[in-house]
Amino acid sequence: DAKTTQPNSMESNEEEPVHLPCNHSTISGTDYIHWYRQLPSQGPEYVIHGLTSNVNNRMASLAIAEDRKSSTLILHRATLRDAAVYYCTLLSSNTGKLIFGQGTTLQVKP
Amino acid sequence: DAGVIQSPRHEVTEMGQEVTLRCKPISGHNSLFWYRQTMMRGLELLIYFNNNVPIDDSGMPEDRFSAKMPNASFSTLKIQPSEPRDSAVYFCASSLYQRENEQFFGPGTRLTVL
Repeated sequence: DAKTTQPNSMESNEEEPVHLPCNHSTISGTDYIHWYRQLPSQGPEYVIHGLTSNVNNRMASLAIAEDRKSSTLILHRATLRDAAVYYCTLLSSNTGKLIFGQGTTLQVKP
Repeated sequence: DAGVIQSPRHEVTEMGQEVTLRCKPISGHNSLFWYRQTMMRGLELLIYFNNNVPIDDSGMPEDRFSAKMPNASFSTLKIQPSEPRDSAVYFCASSLYQRENEQFFGPGTRLTVL
């Protein structure tokens, strides 16, 4: 199973954009890139996913490198409620399994 | 929809006792996943089902763990006998099986084995 690598922690100021990086150099051609976040004392929550093209939704944007070996989750205006652990994961279309790494703990300062 | 429902939310038991965790997936979803989360090991996939059939149980730590899905709306994860190292938060998630679909997680069951 391919693995992901993320920084352990990041800080941001409220209402500023946040760019959360992820490396997945061993990604296979059929793996989807998924991002989840986990608020304190809650289960993980889906944020966004993509395969090759950049994606936007109401929560965030996902920028995927051309070689697919890295991606960046973009929160356009961080709020205090965005403080969470963000997981970059790969969904294997062969096995249907999500492989979670250690995630990035995002702190948002007022 | 109420989302994925898990019970109990908290469980405290003594070593050697049997523990049963329960999960009700989102109606209409046909894939169900059991995860375990600890500080040391993070989120680990234990087992998952498609259309009530176990597909991959390679993450189940040992024979003390077993999971069943008797119908599309109910699944159990059983630990017998429980040990202190089983203490963790156990999450159930469900999805509509397609290659790329997102998983919806329940609130988790916090298990403490004394």
